[in-house]
Amino acid sequence: GQNIDQPTEMTATEGAIVQINCTYQTSGFNGLFWYQQHAGEAPTFLSYNVLDGLEEKGRFSSFLSRSKGYSYLLLKELQMKDSASYLCAVLDSNYQLIWGAGTKLIIKP
Amino acid sequence: GAVVSQHPSWVICKSGTSVKIECRSLDFQATTMFWYRQFPKQSLMLMATSNEGSKATYEQGVEKDKFLINHASLTLSTLTVTSAHPEDSSFYICSAAAGTDNSPLHFGNGTRLTVT
Repeated sequence: GQNIDQPTEMTATEGAIVQINCTYQTSGFNGLFWYQQHAGEAPTFLSYNVLDGLEEKGRFSSFLSRSKGYSYLLLKELQMKDSASYLCAVLDSNYQLIWGAGTKLIIKP
Repeated sequence: GAVVSQHPSWVICKSGTSVKIECRSLDFQATTMFWYRQFPKQSLMLMATSNEGSKATYEQGVEKDKFLINHASLTLSTLTVTSAHPEDSSFYICSAAAGTDNSPLHFGNGTRLTVT
């Protein structure tokens, strides 16, 4: 079956750096997305990786290793507003989006 | 950037009534829209894929006669929850991609449905 794993919850300190990992096993691969979802709101797009390597976008970076079925989202200079759930989603060979359960990130002052 | 508008943001209805939720792509055409359901502290669950001009594709376990989807134009899809029951209370979110299959999804703001 298709499976995406990411930690349920993480805690980090304001101003610090946090890495949220995502491992996947899917039938085919057409890219990996990271979305941010604040409580009670809809998800918003953060990043898309389809080739191996690191994509940097401001304080957020996303890394992909297709051979390892692994990605991470790196958040730098954490701010209180970064407290949210972070969803990893993989586009399989049929272009179906497979969602992880999300990682709840708690930022402490 | 691409914007998806969803209406209403929240609705309270009585058990047995029907509720219609609209999803519009405001600045792009969407031949395909997706309807998700999300329970508290859980991830998104795809309910159905809405295809413009044809029947929606429902995920396993989702009752197509209960959750009616209409995608009459390239910018509008509607989800009607028929004969709603308290267990249908949830957060419903629509989304669409502006572009190719690997374009990121743009989500509506979601509709919080409470059935009393």
